[in-house]
Amino acid sequence: DTGVSQDPRHKITKRGQNVTFRCDPISEHNRLYWYRQTLGQGPEFLTYFQNEAQLEKSRLLSDRFSAERPKGSFSTLEIQRTEQGDSAMYLCASSRPTAASSGNTIYFGEGSWLTVV
Amino acid sequence: AQSVTQLDSHVSVSEGTPVLLRCNYSSSYSPSLFWYVQHPNKGLQLLLKYTSAATLVKGINGFEAEFKKSETSFHLTKPSAHMSDAAEYFCVVSDGFNKFYFGSGTKLNVKP
Repeated sequence: DTGVSQDPRHKITKRGQNVTFRCDPISEHNRLYWYRQTLGQGPEFLTYFQNEAQLEKSRLLSDRFSAERPKGSFSTLEIQRTEQGDSAMYLCASSRPTAASSGNTIYFGEGSWLTVV
Repeated sequence: AQSVTQLDSHVSVSEGTPVLLRCNYSSSYSPSLFWYVQHPNKGLQLLLKYTSAATLVKGINGFEAEFKKSETSFHLTKPSAHMSDAAEYFCVVSDGFNKFYFGSGTKLNVKP
C-alpha cells in the first residue's frame, strides 16, 4: 500500500490567515481521521470520517475548523482566522473496514506542521 | 471510559542494553492496544498491536509487548537497544472501532 500522504508538510502563516491541509488516505481505506499534536503531547482526536460522512467531531474542533471528505477519498482540513494557539502538527490517519474481533488499526501520515506567527 | 498512562516521560539506555517502556491502561471492556513510534518531525509508525489473541505480541524492529490483564499493563520491551531506536513512543488503547486514546508519550534516548 502507498502510505497516507499529507500536504503541505510545513506551513508558516500569519495570524488571521486561512490555511488548508490535504490528506490522501491509503487506497481502499474508508475511514479517515484527523488528529492534532502539540509539542510534548500525544495526538488528540479532532474528527473522523467514514466514506464521505463526518461521523464525529471533537470539542477541540472549534467553529474556525472545518473538515471535508467530499468523495470519500481525500480530505481537507481548513483553519480560518488562524491563531497562535493553532500552531501544531496536524496528523491524518486512515483505516480499512475490519471485523470487530480483529480490531481497527489506524495508519498515520507524516503530518503537516503549522506555525502561526 | 478508556485511558492510557505511560509511566515514564523519558527513558535513557545504553546501546546494546534492554529497553522497557511502561504502559498501564484503563478500559471498561476488552481493549485493543497498540504501540506507535514517532521519530522527530515524522508521523507515527505502528510498532505492534494486541487484539485478544496471544498475550505476547511481536512487532517490528525487534520490539515486543506483553498484555497482562491482571496488571492492566502493556509494557514494550526490546532485548538490545540500537541508536536508531531513539524516538518517542506512544501507547494507545482503542475500543476496537473508531476511538483511540493516546498516552502522553515516552522519549527514548539511546546512549552510545
